[in-house]
Amino acid sequence: QVQLQQSGAELVKPGTSVKLSCKASGYTFTSNHMNWIKQTTGQGLEWIGIINPGSGGTSYNVKFKGKATLTVDKSSSTAFMQLSSLTPEDSAVYYCARSHSGFDYWGQGVMVTVSS
Amino acid sequence: EIVLTQSPTTTAASPGEKVTITCLASSSVSNMYWYQQKSGASPKLLIYSTSSLASGVPDRFSGSGSGTSYSLTINTMEAEDAATYYCQQWSSNPFTFGSGTKLEIK
Repeated sequence: QVQLQQSGAELVKPGTSVKLSCKASGYTFTSNHMNWIKQTTGQGLEWIGIINPGSGGTSYNVKFKGKATLTVDKSSSTAFMQLSSLTPEDSAVYYCARSHSGFDYWGQGVMVTVSS
Repeated sequence: EIVLTQSPTTTAASPGEKVTITCLASSSVSNMYWYQQKSGASPKLLIYSTSSLASGVPDRFSGSGSGTSYSLTINTMEAEDAATYYCQQWSSNPFTFGSGTKLEIK
């Protein structure tokens, strides 16, 4: 069965970076695009960007350009999102989600807390 | 950016009651997608391409609409349907979500 297993919660300091991972299993990793989505109480659900695991091609929400960088490692069927220059406004739950007629499978989410 | 406005923001229904959630788009979209999120869980795809039921979703859920107006209907409310529901569009980058409708059981 399709599973997206995300890395654990992160507590990070302002101004630093963090790299989140999302390991896919149960399907051919390069057959579906992978997305990253941010959820906060105040802003709800926000789509960050999408990556084609086969080609590495990406497309971002302009709001997150320069903030998020999406990559993949095909050998381990893992997608990554690096968030840079973190501020308290980046504190949120981040999900990876596969694209297939909508976001059909989601990771369990990872909470990122930015605090000094 | 296409803004999706959901209504109501919060609602409650008795078991067996029919529930309709509306999603209005600021510009025309070709399709709408609906997700259910229960407390502490990841969102789950319910409806894709406006009216198609995702795998494993009970057929009491249905979707309809076109252009700028879409809706999600639960034909007969069940206790397990208490959750927050989100609409989402794929027509234009950035892909946006509605702000959610919290559905409670009476």
